[in-house]
Amino acid sequence: DGGITQSPKYLFRKEGQNVTLSCEQNLNHDAMYWYRQDPGQGLRLIYYSQIVNDFQKGDIAEGYSVSREKKESFPLTVTSAQKNPTAFYLCASSIDLRTGAYNEQFFGPGTRLTVL
Amino acid sequence: AQTVTQSQPEMSVQEAETVTLSCTYDTSESDYYLFWYKQPPSRQMILVIRQEAYKQQNATENRFSVNFQKAAKSFSLKISDSQLGDAAMYFCAYSRPRDDKIIFGKGTRLHILP
Repeated sequence: DGGITQSPKYLFRKEGQNVTLSCEQNLNHDAMYWYRQDPGQGLRLIYYSQIVNDFQKGDIAEGYSVSREKKESFPLTVTSAQKNPTAFYLCASSIDLRTGAYNEQFFGPGTRLTVL
Repeated sequence: AQTVTQSQPEMSVQEAETVTLSCTYDTSESDYYLFWYKQPPSRQMILVIRQEAYKQQNATENRFSVNFQKAAKSFSLKISDSQLGDAAMYFCAYSRPRDDKIIFGKGTRLHILP
């Protein structure tokens, strides 16, 4: 079945450590996104990528980094510079929104990151 | 900049009744898309319904329908015959053609009372 997978589902990190969240899609989508979700805040865009080897900062990129070496994969690294990393992280993908007439984003199941 | 506002953080409805979730947005564009996404307790985001701004007819998907008022920049979601499985966070979202992002509201948590 086509879809988006995120791993792990739950992740615990000690303060001061970097951690990488995985996101893989087999929908053949060009664009991929990372969102952070906090209670009462809705979804906030961290980074997005419309093509391999290219990505752009979203609204809250500080303390995060990404790579897009393959079309199917868009891992997110939460660095020690992120002051409040405990949150729920959602990955999404879509066709290239700049070219398509149908703008739906498809979401993965999410990763809950807790900093101890 | 475009914004999406959901003024109801939480709502409750009796099972089998009808409920309407509100959403307003701000844009100077004439061509755009509006969405309602559902996030159940599993936290998997699911697209419920989509509306193209150039279409005057309100979108409908089974028990879900929208009231799209373009002049008022309002996009409400009506859920008829509410079921326990409708309990979720609902997010209103906006995007423009050929833009590279979708903008989400902060969500409305819907409780279904048995």
